[in-house]
Amino acid sequence: GNSVTQMEGPVTLSEEAFLTINCTYTATGYPSLFWYVQYPGEGLQLLLKATKADDKGSNKGFEATYRKETTSFHLEKGSVQVSDSAVYFCALSSYTGANSKLTFGKGITLSVRP
Amino acid sequence: DAGVTQSPTHLIKTRGQQVTLRCSPISGHKSVSWYQQVLGQGPQFIFQYYEKEERGRGNFPDRFSARQFPNYSSELNVNALLLGDSALYLCASSSGTEMYQETQYFGPGTRLLVL
Repeated sequence: GNSVTQMEGPVTLSEEAFLTINCTYTATGYPSLFWYVQYPGEGLQLLLKATKADDKGSNKGFEATYRKETTSFHLEKGSVQVSDSAVYFCALSSYTGANSKLTFGKGITLSVRP
Repeated sequence: DAGVTQSPTHLIKTRGQQVTLRCSPISGHKSVSWYQQVLGQGPQFIFQYYEKEERGRGNFPDRFSARQFPNYSSELNVNALLLGDSALYLCASSSGTEMYQETQYFGPGTRLLVL
């Protein structure tokens, strides 16, 4: 079945530091890959996505590249801000049968200190 | 435009009771999915509906059921509540036409506490 593995957290960084959050996946076929962010007390917001190999998703300074050869979709940001503090989830969707359910990783908490 | 809305925002129930959660999708979206998020974990897929038909069901017991109405809103019902059902229940809507490439947009969730 499908699965998503995220690096263990939490992660604490200083403002303006470089961020990398690792994500690898196992899936049948050719999945679409997503990063969602969850701020305290809120639901999930789409951060970025990629639907085919070598695609790069980007948004708000965050980037992730769909690497089929390494089955990875690592999230990066060059300079984090305090406002980036949140929980980040990697997810995939692959068409199995008639539905397009999302399979999520466990999430990782990012704390950015001033 | 309004996003996905869910009601109620919070709910406290006791073991053995029944609960109904409600979701209204983004206007124009025909697919609704339900997820359960236990504290400290990623969301787990419960159901997906499209055009009032069930498209998929996750690994949840029959105590969980759902339906979608002609206006595409949806309800999730959980019977015979257990302590382990305490979680954040998330509803997501999508167009339903792009299948695995489409983005699912999430509501704020309903936080259920079972005592």
